[in-house]
Amino acid sequence: DTEVTQTPKHLVMGMTNKKSLKCEQHMGHRAMYWYKQKAKKPPELMFVYSYEKLSINESVPSRFSPECPNSSLLNLHLHALQPEDSALYLCASSQAPTGWPLHFGNGTRLTVT
Amino acid sequence: DAKTTQPTSMDCAEGRAANLPCNHSTISGNEYVYWYRQIHSQGPQYIIHGLKNNETNEMASLIITEDRKSSTLILPHATLRDTAVYYCIVRVNNNDMRFGAGTRLTVKP
Repeated sequence: DTEVTQTPKHLVMGMTNKKSLKCEQHMGHRAMYWYKQKAKKPPELMFVYSYEKLSINESVPSRFSPECPNSSLLNLHLHALQPEDSALYLCASSQAPTGWPLHFGNGTRLTVT
Repeated sequence: DAKTTQPTSMDCAEGRAANLPCNHSTISGNEYVYWYRQIHSQGPQYIIHGLKNNETNEMASLIITEDRKSSTLILPHATLRDTAVYYCIVRVNNNDMRFGAGTRLTVKP
């Protein structure tokens, strides 16, 4: 079991759909992260939120829109995705922007058709 | 940020120690060495980290050479459940952790 909960576990969406991925933690962590992982590749950093403010955006296309409504929640809004965006999307949190370690959820497996 | 080099894959017999090497020859004085692992279909899991001194916890030991240019993660008694991809990462801090290719460790009965 993980202390970072991601929903849904699996998602299939068409290229014209709008969907959201959700991530929740109740460890009091003030930094939250989105990673994207393609099959047989390492996770790639997408976004970092620090104290509910976006601190890092790794030049991610605007069809991915992150949101951090409060310190426990992190969303990733998806719109007009492409089939190549199909991947495992991982959320993580840590105690502070420079805190350690990162706690990861088990991800949402996204398929874009 | 310092680059790390790890073997692509390694095998280990169940019950034996697994020694996973990592080269980080360009590491700077304030960069930590972190180790994470990812078991199939799960998110990465933190294992251990260190700066200069050797470190040990309930999961593993981390041995860092005196010049800090390489390190070894040791799983003292590997089990089948330790089969995973192991990532060695060198960072000043934790807030933009980037993963390299890692080592795929297979523990065999």
